[in-house]
Amino acid sequence: GENVEQHPSTLSVQEGDSAVIKCTYSDSASNYFPWYKQELGKRPQLIIDIRSNVGEKKDQRIAVTLNKTAKHFSLHITETQPEDSAVYFCAASKEQAGTALIFGKGTTLSVSS
Amino acid sequence: DADVTQTPRNRITKTGKRIMLECSQTKGHDRMYWYRQDPGLGLRLIYYSFDVKDINKGEISDGYSVSRQAQAKFSLSLESAIPNQTALYFCATSDLQGDTDTQYFGPGTRLTVL
Repeated sequence: GENVEQHPSTLSVQEGDSAVIKCTYSDSASNYFPWYKQELGKRPQLIIDIRSNVGEKKDQRIAVTLNKTAKHFSLHITETQPEDSAVYFCAASKEQAGTALIFGKGTTLSVSS
Repeated sequence: DADVTQTPRNRITKTGKRIMLECSQTKGHDRMYWYRQDPGLGLRLIYYSFDVKDINKGEISDGYSVSRQAQAKFSLSLESAIPNQTALYFCATSDLQGDTDTQYFGPGTRLTVL
């Protein structure tokens, strides 16, 4: 089955810096790659996703890139702010194929002002 | 997201007890999931269901069972709880009709097994 590796497990940056979180997946048939943000004491919520027919997607300060050949995808956060501090999870699935999302172990991002 | 609810929100129980965690949703989604979250281990899939008659094992189903009582209800049971089942449990839903695997999570149930 699918296996998703996520790095780093913790990341500390200064406010205004950029942050990058990387994930690799094992199943070349996976085609859907979402990112979830979980603030302290809250439930995970989708922040951005990408499908295998595109290589990059942006939403304001957040972007995700996908390299299907290397089977890895990354989350990029620019101009970080203290409210970006949270745990971020990547995930992968074969959308519409009757499988479920498999998540990475998460990255704890701390943004200090 | 108030459309996905979990009960109870917190539960403390003893080793060997039977426990049921319940999940209800008003989103009209077909697909429902149970995950457990442990520090450093992320979100691990326990069971999932794509409709009322469909139940599938996830990554870590041993020691758990589920029941899909209706489209809107999906329950997780621990037949004989053990301390290493202490964790935060999340229910989630997704919309088959929307052709997307985007999942919407409930608020979580914190379970402690003594």
